[in-house]
Amino acid sequence: DIVMTQGALPNPVPSGESASITCQSSKSLLHSNGKTYLNWYLQRPGQSPQLLIYWMSTRASGVSDRFSGSGSGTDFTLKISSVEAEDVGVYYCQQFLEYPLTFGSGTKLEIK
Amino acid sequence: EIQLQESGPGLVKPSQSLSLTCSVTGYTITSGYDWSWIRKFPGNKMEWMGYISYSGSTNYNPSLKSRISITRDTSKNQFFLQLNSVTTEDTATYYCARETMGIMVDYWGQGVMVTVSS
Repeated sequence: DIVMTQGALPNPVPSGESASITCQSSKSLLHSNGKTYLNWYLQRPGQSPQLLIYWMSTRASGVSDRFSGSGSGTDFTLKISSVEAEDVGVYYCQQFLEYPLTFGSGTKLEIK
Repeated sequence: EIQLQESGPGLVKPSQSLSLTCSVTGYTITSGYDWSWIRKFPGNKMEWMGYISYSGSTNYNPSLKSRISITRDTSKNQFFLQLNSVTTEDTATYYCARETMGIMVDYWGQGVMVTVSS
């Protein structure tokens, strides 16, 4: 199975500041079609997970442009510019290159 | 709009079977996509359990393969999870979800918390 490893945030993050969450995969997620199969999700308190980013850097429909994804084949970053109260929750990276799908352990964001 | 809703018992005894239902509205599960079960353990760890495709084929996480079964009732537009021989380690919140084009999980149910305890 592909192992996904996420970094922690120096919580709490001051409102209006930027925050970057890192994720590493044990295998390159770059497909032969040129797409990188890395997704980001946010689970707000009391809610189900919500897709933020797919193919490493493509924002899902309706997602704020304050969220951006970047990376290489094995190292990825989700950047949240100017964090707001509604960004609080747990962020997960997930690989969709092969089954079984696997997730990172989650990174909690708290706002000051 | 597509909506998924899990239902089932919140408490299961060790060694028994866990059975959950996912009711889908706004889309016919035989029209396309893969319909999956994902669980979140206490402490945030997430595990993909498996899916049933629109054609009825299944794909399971090898870590669960001997205990899991995902089936469906197309007349009710529902799909089901059965997990056998549960232990306390199966205590989790269970989500049904839709996987799209082998790229993303784009719709999730609200989740149902299941506790395994005697």
